[in-house]
Amino acid sequence: AQTVTQSQPEMSVQEAETVTLSCTYDTSESDYYLFWYKQPPSRQMILVIRQEAYKQQNATENRFSVNFQKAAKSFSLKISDSQLGDAAMYFCAYNWNQFYFGTGTSLTVIP
Amino acid sequence: GAGVSQSPSNKVTEKGKDVELRCDPISGHTALYWYRQRLGQGLEFLIYFQGNSAPDKSGLPSDRFSAERTGESVSTLTIQRTQQEDSAVYLCASSLVIRNEQFFGPGTRLTVL
Repeated sequence: AQTVTQSQPEMSVQEAETVTLSCTYDTSESDYYLFWYKQPPSRQMILVIRQEAYKQQNATENRFSVNFQKAAKSFSLKISDSQLGDAAMYFCAYNWNQFYFGTGTSLTVIP
Repeated sequence: GAGVSQSPSNKVTEKGKDVELRCDPISGHTALYWYRQRLGQGLEFLIYFQGNSAPDKSGLPSDRFSAERTGESVSTLTIQRTQQEDSAVYLCASSLVIRNEQFFGPGTRLTVL
């Protein structure tokens, strides 16, 4: 069965610093997709970044990048130069036939 | 519309009443998902529709929950004989194909008194 684990319920980071959110998953598939979603207090889920498993290169979107380790089934999110607007719940998600979400990490950004 | 819309945004109901939640996906999106999110929790998969295929109902928590979708358009999630434990935010998402990023609606906050 596919499962997604986010072992950090809460994280905090100083403004302008870098923080890494961890995510691991379990699958027997070789071709799948991984996502990080952000959910601010407004509760609107927003896609942050996406990674196709067949691509070895780590995805990057401006200040957001991932460290995708396929063999280790690890998919961490790095946020550089953290901003106050980055404060939110972050969900890791796995998709092959269906979407599976982790339990989320609440990120606080300290001014 | 430009995004996924859901209505109502908030719903307060009395225990035992039936409720209907509506989702309008992005035009052209063949896949549609419903999730439940309890306060401070992650997303709990309920059901998904893919084109004209039979929906995957494996996440529905009880037979009080049902959902319909007409073609590739609007979907309604119905909860019969609501219970206090049904109080949550119900999120709808759509995607262009089954393996693609989901676009979420703003959710419906359901409160059962």
